[in-house]
Amino acid sequence: RKEVEQDPGPFNVPEGATVAFNCTYSNSASQSFFWYRQDCRKEPKLLMSVYSSGNEDGRFTAQLNRASQYISLLIRDSKLSDSATYLCVVNMDTGRRALTFGSGTRLQVQP
Amino acid sequence: NAGVTQTPKFQVLKTGQSMTLQCAQDMNHEYMSWYRQDPGMGLRLIHYSVGAGITDQGEVPNGYNVSRSTTEDFPLRLLSAAPSQTSVYFCASSRAGWSYEQYFGPGTRLTVT
Repeated sequence: RKEVEQDPGPFNVPEGATVAFNCTYSNSASQSFFWYRQDCRKEPKLLMSVYSSGNEDGRFTAQLNRASQYISLLIRDSKLSDSATYLCVVNMDTGRRALTFGSGTRLQVQP
Repeated sequence: NAGVTQTPKFQVLKTGQSMTLQCAQDMNHEYMSWYRQDPGMGLRLIHYSVGAGITDQGEVPNGYNVSRSTTEDFPLRLLSAAPSQTSVYFCASSRAGWSYEQYFGPGTRLTVT
């Protein structure tokens, strides 16, 4: 089982739609969770951190479910500019001091 | 403020050649790391450093060396390039440590023939 697992997609949605991605992680002791965005052939950039109580940033909402070991990202009112790959990132607490990245979910917002 | 810079942007090597990928940051970040990204796979950690003079291996360290003589620079050396090392390489740094937001450089696209 992968340490951080994501549906690769692509998710093809029309402009204005609401879309949600999930990501599962294998280590119940994980403490830090993030969503990164990566545009084609560019570097990843932090979209938002994920807090235990859930958090919102404009059209984006992130949730954490520790019991089921998954995090989610909800995008409301999708824009063409939201088209990108969304990377789930987790602190796996393996003793190695580094984050673990999922392979990403691709979103394509269509006009 | 340049952030994290990487050179070169593109490189083609022949099997067996060696080279160094450069990474520098001007944010005074203690933590720096190198990842490689292959199609359909997440970023995989090669090496990381928690400060000048301290480096450690990541998930896929074989075939790569690193050193950290200054806070600003963290070069990645390919000892004897192999086609399996064809990939996109990203350098990252973090202000607050390894479990916090990582700032990435623009990447180096390496092809080994």
